[in-house]
Amino acid sequence: ETGVTQSPTHLIKTRGQQVTLRCSSQSGHNTVSWYQQALGQGPQFIFQYYREEENGRGNFPPRFSGLQFPNYSSELNVNALELDDSALYLCASRGQGMDEQYFGPGTRLTVT
Amino acid sequence: AQRVTQPEKLLSVFKGAPVELKCNYSYSGSPELFWYVQYSRQRLQLLLRHISRESIKGFTADLNKGETSFHLKKPFAQEEDSAMYYCALLPPTSGTYKYIFGTGTRLKVLA
Repeated sequence: ETGVTQSPTHLIKTRGQQVTLRCSSQSGHNTVSWYQQALGQGPQFIFQYYREEENGRGNFPPRFSGLQFPNYSSELNVNALELDDSALYLCASRGQGMDEQYFGPGTRLTVT
Repeated sequence: AQRVTQPEKLLSVFKGAPVELKCNYSYSGSPELFWYVQYSRQRLQLLLRHISRESIKGFTADLNKGETSFHLKKPFAQEEDSAMYYCALLPPTSGTYKYIFGTGTRLKVLA
């Protein structure tokens, strides 16, 4: 059984650019959630995907979007990057009927 | 508003001393409460959840609905307990697991 992986580890972007972050869920997990963790804060729920559909969203604007693929890998896309988007982005996968989620190591995004 | 408050950013205790990490929540219904832990250079992981009422690595947490608290306790701290601890709330779910995390408390256990 493989764990949750994320790529890239670190990323530097310029304000106004677009970014795509990737997550590979734990084997057999069909639900993935994305979180933003700003420095000194706890993770904040962005959205959740189940069977390739978004089925829950936190207080994030539409420029945060995602995709989930049939192999349960997923992407987080952020358009029109702002300085405040600088954060650690975590994905977490969960199996059907389970409430325990397994986190990836995160992608550190810096917007300059 | 739904909120999880961890009032201490940093808690330092000596090895063998009791530990209590505070967590208060704001939610009108019956949420589930969790403690997550992140050891140095490791990923965030579940430590324990209130519904299982279990002790993990010597830690316990009791849900006090009257005080809306879910404090994490351990009678004798060990150096390996040093980590970042996050309290999290999960509102009753219809399939969407919108966890709400606190800001975390860093526990340092001193030799």
